[in-house]
Amino acid sequence: GEDVEQSLFLSVREGDSSVINCTYTDSSSTYLYWYKQEPGAGLQLLTYIFSNMDMKQDQRLTVLLNKKDKHLSLRIADTQTGDSAIYFCAEIRQAGTALIFGKGTTLSVSS
Amino acid sequence: GAVVSQHPSWVICKSGTSVKIECRSLDFQATTMFWYRQFPKQSLMLMATSNEGSKATYEQGVEKDKFLINHASLTLSTLTVTSAHPEDSSFYICSARDSVTRFDDEQFFGPGTRLTVL
Repeated sequence: GEDVEQSLFLSVREGDSSVINCTYTDSSSTYLYWYKQEPGAGLQLLTYIFSNMDMKQDQRLTVLLNKKDKHLSLRIADTQTGDSAIYFCAEIRQAGTALIFGKGTTLSVSS
Repeated sequence: GAVVSQHPSWVICKSGTSVKIECRSLDFQATTMFWYRQFPKQSLMLMATSNEGSKATYEQGVEKDKFLINHASLTLSTLTVTSAHPEDSSFYICSARDSVTRFDDEQFFGPGTRLTVL
């Protein structure tokens, strides 16, 4: 099965909060990341969290990490139509190695 | 800072030809770069790890003779798709670590190259 799993779709109304969930399997992961990809474009790093942290907040973004359950979430407050994109969670298992990506969650924001 | 460029951004080629894609770190040095490919509506799959001055490390199932990687300097890695076929059509993305001045594991991604093989 997939090493990093995400739900594939999320639909919200403008102004609501969005919560995108991710589960990973490698407890030795050092960093966990959230990337955003707009249609036809590359990846934009949104935020990341070090594995010894439980939460990180950056403006409208809140990342929660539950190491026991190997669960990572990204909350976007006051979601805007410009937030519509694919969101990937990713992990790094050993320093200096490549990112392992989930399949991505397509966020659709309706006005 | 920490900008990665890719060239070309898109390319259309005939089946059987070879295509070279460049990945450059513009304002930092990268001893390690990574090459990913992404099929439509799918995730990024790691193809290989490119190490400056040495051979690339390929992931299982990736043909090293078909996807030639050269990392000749600290700011440039190239991926050459040899004898391209329509099934090679994909979005190719590179990333690079600033391994000289940064001690975290942030990787910086290029904008991607869309390859279409006719």
